[in-house]
Amino acid sequence: GEDVEQSLFLSVREGDSSVINCTYTDSSSTYLYWYKQEPGAGLQLLTYIFSNMDMKQDQRLTVLLNKKDKHLSLRIADTQTGDSAIYFCAESKGYSSASKIIFGSGTRLSIRP
Amino acid sequence: SAVISQKPSRDICQRGTSLTIQCQVDSQVTMMFWYRQQPGQSLTLIATANQGSEATYESGFVIDKFPISRPNLTFSTLTVSNMSPEDSSIYLCSVERTESYGYTFGSGTRLTVV
Repeated sequence: GEDVEQSLFLSVREGDSSVINCTYTDSSSTYLYWYKQEPGAGLQLLTYIFSNMDMKQDQRLTVLLNKKDKHLSLRIADTQTGDSAIYFCAESKGYSSASKIIFGSGTRLSIRP
Repeated sequence: SAVISQKPSRDICQRGTSLTIQCQVDSQVTMMFWYRQQPGQSLTLIATANQGSEATYESGFVIDKFPISRPNLTFSTLTVSNMSPEDSSIYLCSVERTESYGYTFGSGTRLTVV
């Protein structure tokens, strides 16, 4: 079945890099996403990657995809206090409305001074 | 991308009552999605709402408990009926992004049933 797994917590020092990891089981996943949820807010799409890509970089964010191991990671460079949030990994088979998006349990990122 | 206004943002309700959550989108969208996020959990899709037809519910969710309306292409409501403390969750609506891939979410409704 479809499953997306993440570790629940990550604590990093301000200024360091954060790496949030995710594994998924469905090898036919086509699109993989990272969402951010700040306290009391909805989900904000941070970035996405197609399954035929290995890496995508967007300013401080780097997404790495190892399709063979079904492993996705999100690296946040120079982590700031504003990065404190829950980060959800998600996957879908397509981008149309017919493709259900499956979310991981979320990783709570906390920043220490 | 589409902007979603969801309300109420939070509510505390008595068990046995019902709460209707509204989502207004600033552009026309074919489908709207309703999710539940239980405390400390991930998002679970409740149903997909298509304008002009009955909503499609996921396994474990039924229309009697979560009736949905979709009167036009910019608006939808989700009602949580006959509430119990187990219904305490964040409820979110979502639409597909039109300019890119992925989905846009409303800010969520934090429901506490006492």
